[in-house]
Amino acid sequence: QSVLTQPPSVSAAPGQKVTISCSGSYSNIGNNYVSWYQQLPGTAPKLLIYDNNKRPSETPDRFSASKSGTSATLGITGLQTGDEADYFCAAWDSSLSAVLFGGGTKLTVL
Amino acid sequence: QVHLQESGPGLVKPSQTLSLTCTVSGGSISSDSYYWSWIRQPAGKRLEWIGRIYPSGYTNYNPSLKSRVTISVDTSKNQFSLKLNSMTAADTAVYYCARGVLIINWFDPWGQGTQVTVSS
Repeated sequence: QSVLTQPPSVSAAPGQKVTISCSGSYSNIGNNYVSWYQQLPGTAPKLLIYDNNKRPSETPDRFSASKSGTSATLGITGLQTGDEADYFCAAWDSSLSAVLFGGGTKLTVL
Repeated sequence: QVHLQESGPGLVKPSQTLSLTCTVSGGSISSDSYYWSWIRQPAGKRLEWIGRIYPSGYTNYNPSLKSRVTISVDTSKNQFSLKLNSMTAADTAVYYCARGVLIINWFDPWGQGTQVTVSS
């Protein structure tokens, strides 16, 4: 399917670990690179992960990502209240010839 | 450090054409390694990629918007622009411009975004 599916929300306590999934298909995640974005309330999205699992220098190493088949996962360890944000995955879709974004996952740090 | 800034009207009447401009500073829009995109986000909804333009002027558009979208580039001004015609309430969104990386297709940086409301 030409859509990227994420859970609407996840939550965990400070200091804990959380994972966010992004499910797609052969035409997008299966054959193209995945990137992840963090969107803090009221701000523009910010690149968090690129090329499936690479971190820009500004991204703390508490953030990691992986890809397997037609799914990708973002992991965050040592949760902080400042990590509360919406997280989006994205990938090129070769069938649509368009970039797809996931629906976004709202992270709550309890 | 490259910085992007959107500009344009915040209010558009139904059936009219939206025109937005993104000004790139701190780097050249003519770099062969990048393309330039428009992305929008209706309130509470997912991001939607509108389309992209390469420095050469080559464009790709989201099939869902292709019939209404035109993206252009002015390398002399280090700007690129979006025109979206036949606007309806469904086009109300925050519109972002962003720099994209060829082949790998990740976006960095993004502009701060501009709210566009379609209303009479």
